[in-house]
Amino acid sequence: QVQLVQSGAEVKTPGASVTVSCKASGHTFAGYYIHWVRQAPGQGLEWVGWVKANSGETTYAQRFQGRVTMTRDTSFSTTYLELTSLTSDDTAVYYCVREDRGMFDPWGQGTLVTVSS
Amino acid sequence: QSALTQPASVSGSPGQSITISCTGTSGDIGAYNYVSWYQQHPGKVPKLIIHGVTNRPSGASNRFSGAKSGNTAFLIISGLQAEDEADYYCNSYTGRTYVFGTGTKVTVL
Repeated sequence: QVQLVQSGAEVKTPGASVTVSCKASGHTFAGYYIHWVRQAPGQGLEWVGWVKANSGETTYAQRFQGRVTMTRDTSFSTTYLELTSLTSDDTAVYYCVREDRGMFDPWGQGTLVTVSS
Repeated sequence: QSALTQPASVSGSPGQSITISCTGTSGDIGAYNYVSWYQQHPGKVPKLIIHGVTNRPSGASNRFSGAKSGNTAFLIISGLQAEDEADYYCNSYTGRTYVFGTGTKVTVL
């Protein structure tokens, strides 16, 4: 079955950068879009952007433009989210999720990123 | 892109039906039929329950149904059960990007 497994929790200081990985198994990696969604503590879901697994094409939410980079390594069926210039507002659980015709499924288990001095 | 608007909370008694609205604009919900809904229990990963406005994926309860009218989408939960107590989020395609709703907490009385 299709599964997305994310890297472990991260603790960063303000101004630092973080990279979260998402490894896919059980499906043809290259055929899909992988999205990143984040959820701050006690808050709702926020769409961050997507990377197309075969071409590496990306689209980001406007509020993250200039601070976010999504990449993929087809050899390892893995996508990466890099977020720079971190502030405490970036403290959240970051999810990767496969998208197909508007369906977000399955989801990774989530990676908690904590930004604290 | 502003978040889609959902009521903060909806409640109902067991066995009742409830409806959650999700209001967007002519550039998202009004323009595309790529509206989906997600259920999230506390501390858990979101789960897809409706896609393409009205379609239920395999594994989702048939007590969940979806609809759309103009710029507003709806999630209907019929025969409310205790296990339905959770947060619910809508999502829409906006043309290259996507946007989530503000989220609705469903309480079973």
